Amino acid sequence: ETGVTQTPRHLVMGMTNKKSLKCEQHLGHNAMYWYKQSAKKPLELMFVYSLEERVENNSVPSRFSPECPNSSHLFLHLHTLQPEDSALYLCASSQETGTLATRTDTQYFGPGTRLTVL
Amino acid sequence: KQEVTQIPAALSVPEGENLVLNCSFTDSAIYNLQWFRQDPGKGLTSLLLIQSSQREQTSGRLNASLDKSSGRSTLYIAASQPGDSATYLCAVKTSGTYKYIFGTGTRLKVLA
Repeated sequence: ETGVTQTPRHLVMGMTNKKSLKCEQHLGHNAMYWYKQSAKKPLELMFVYSLEERVENNSVPSRFSPECPNSSHLFLHLHTLQPEDSALYLCASSQETGTLATRTDTQYFGPGTRLTVL
Repeated sequence: KQEVTQIPAALSVPEGENLVLNCSFTDSAIYNLQWFRQDPGKGLTSLLLIQSSQREQTSGRLNASLDKSSGRSTLYIAASQPGDSATYLCAVKTSGTYKYIFGTGTRLKVLA
């Protein structure tokens, strides 16, 4: 596997379910991101992890819970979601520290998980 | 608060035409600006990244320019092809943060 992978690609869940989204990056990056993309809205940054530490948390409801066990893996745990949470959830990674020679800042995105909450 | 706007929201052009997509941002204190392409139902692919100290970047038929003082960037696509049909997103990274602020995108359709 190369790049950034996400599983599952599609998920349908009821409002009382608990599920998790998984992201894995094979690029040796040290920062990972969760974004939410809803129809006709800009991408919304949800969480950022740098060196496995959360560095950004943009007022996301507590029904979304991120986890970053190591620099290659990122999870988004979901529980008691609402229908308006239905969206495409995108994971990305980047190399955010290092010398100017090694820092790229380019974000590499996974294919996303299409989530439908019934 | 940084806001990013992209105009037009949608564009349809015949194959072979040169075209310009626009991106504007309200706060000029940016670290870099990135242009992405998104195919329907898929993730984003980075096309070009311009650091705040740069004026433009080129890759193949794509050229992106940055004018920080006026808060604008343009993406120029030369000799458009049907395979260029996608949504193009502009994102601005604010200095000192990890946050990228995205525009709503321009949906491009190139007709054969």
